[in-house]
Amino acid sequence: RKEVEQDPGPFNVPEGATVAFNCTYSNSASQSFFWYRQDCRKEPKLLMSVYSSGNEDGRFTAQLNRASQYISLLIRDSKLSDSATYLCVVILGTYKYIFGTGTRLKVLA
Amino acid sequence: GAGVSQSPSNKVTEKGKDVELRCDPISGHTALYWYRQSLGQGLEFLIYFQGNSAPDKSGLPSDRFSAERTGGSVSTLTIQRTQQEDSAVYLCASSWGPTNEAFFGQGTRLTVV
Repeated sequence: RKEVEQDPGPFNVPEGATVAFNCTYSNSASQSFFWYRQDCRKEPKLLMSVYSSGNEDGRFTAQLNRASQYISLLIRDSKLSDSATYLCVVILGTYKYIFGTGTRLKVLA
Repeated sequence: GAGVSQSPSNKVTEKGKDVELRCDPISGHTALYWYRQSLGQGLEFLIYFQGNSAPDKSGLPSDRFSAERTGGSVSTLTIQRTQQEDSAVYLCASSWGPTNEAFFGQGTRLTVV
C-alpha cells in the first residue's frame, strides 16, 4: 500500500460548484499534514496546513480524520483559477514529507 | 524576502556528462529537501538536510547522485555520468524546521539527450 494515496482525477466541475478531494495515509504516527497546489509546469505551492480541529481559509476547508487516516479538501464556489493539481502531503516521522501523486481539478466555464 | 532560488532553470546535457544543480534556500531555513518529479508523476523524495548534515539520503536513486550543503545555506545536487532516465524536474524546498511547511523553488528541468 502506498504511504499516501489520492484519486488522480481529473475532476471536471462547472464554475461555482463545490468539490471535495480525499487523501488517505498509511502511517498512523503521521503528525503533520498539508495541501499543496501545483499548476502545470510550476513548483508546488502551499495551499493550507491541516489541523486536527479542521481549518478554513476563504473558500477552502481542510479536515483531518485520524481514526480513518484521511485528510480532505473542500473547495466551495469553484473558480476557473482553481484549476490545478492538488497534492496531499504527510510528514512521516520528524521530517519526511511524503507527497501524494495529486488530484487534477479542472473548473469549466 | 526572496524565495527559494534554483539554478539553472533548464539544463540540457549529453548522456554520460556530469551536472550540478544549485539551490539557494530561504535565509534562516534550516531544513532543505531535494525532490525529483518526472513528467506526469508525483514528487519523489531524494535527500533531506538539517543544517549541513544529511540524516536521510535514502531517496538518492544510485551512487551517481550526491548532494552537499555548506554554511547551512546553499546546496548542490550532483549527478555523475547522466543517463536518459535522469531527465526530470529537480525541485528544492526549504523550511524553518522539519515539520513546518516547505517552500519550493521553481525547479531545474534536466534533459539528458
